[in-house]
Amino acid sequence: QKEVEQDPGPLSVPEGAIVSLNCTYSNSAFQYFMWYRQYSRKGPELLMYTYSSGNKEDGRFTAQVDKSSKYISLFIRDSQPSDSATYLCAMSGSAGNQFYFGTGTSLTVIP
Amino acid sequence: ETGVTQTPRHLVMGMTNKKSLKCEQHLGHNAMYWYKQSAKKPLELMFVYSLEERVENNSVPSRFSPECPNSSHLFLHLHTLQPEDSALYLCASSQVPRDRGPPLHFGNGTRLTVT
Repeated sequence: QKEVEQDPGPLSVPEGAIVSLNCTYSNSAFQYFMWYRQYSRKGPELLMYTYSSGNKEDGRFTAQVDKSSKYISLFIRDSQPSDSATYLCAMSGSAGNQFYFGTGTSLTVIP
Repeated sequence: ETGVTQTPRHLVMGMTNKKSLKCEQHLGHNAMYWYKQSAKKPLELMFVYSLEERVENNSVPSRFSPECPNSSHLFLHLHTLQPEDSALYLCASSQVPRDRGPPLHFGNGTRLTVT
């Protein structure tokens, strides 16, 4: 079983739609949860970062962590063409240098 | 200059060449990483230098050799690579222990093609 599972998509939505991106994981020791956005020909850019369970909101983006279900989500409201990118989830424990990544979900927002 | 800077952005090399990738971080972090990104695969950790200690993924071939002269600079030396080594090589930095700062910050990568 992979440490982190993420649907690769591709996902295509019209502009203005609400987008839901998800990852599941198997290691109950994970404490830090991250979402990265990666544009073509660029490195991953940190989008959201949460510790333990709960929700975190930043503008149009909301990250949710459900540790009981080992499930994390990223919601994008009022999606824009500039949101078109690959979204990577990542997580890690409280110690050590190991980060576990999903394979990424490719998102296209159509004007 | 801010963030994590990688050079070169693109590199084409033959299987018998020797080349080096360079990374510099301007964030004051104390850990630096090399990751390999291949299509449809999760990022693969290759090497970590944390608090001047090196940690490596034992599955990385010896044709990849890292060097970290100080906490701001990281190199990846390449020799006798194979075509399957073609990928995007990402450098990242972070602050450890984890609770002292946010997670990985990445550079824009070096797109390596081995012919």
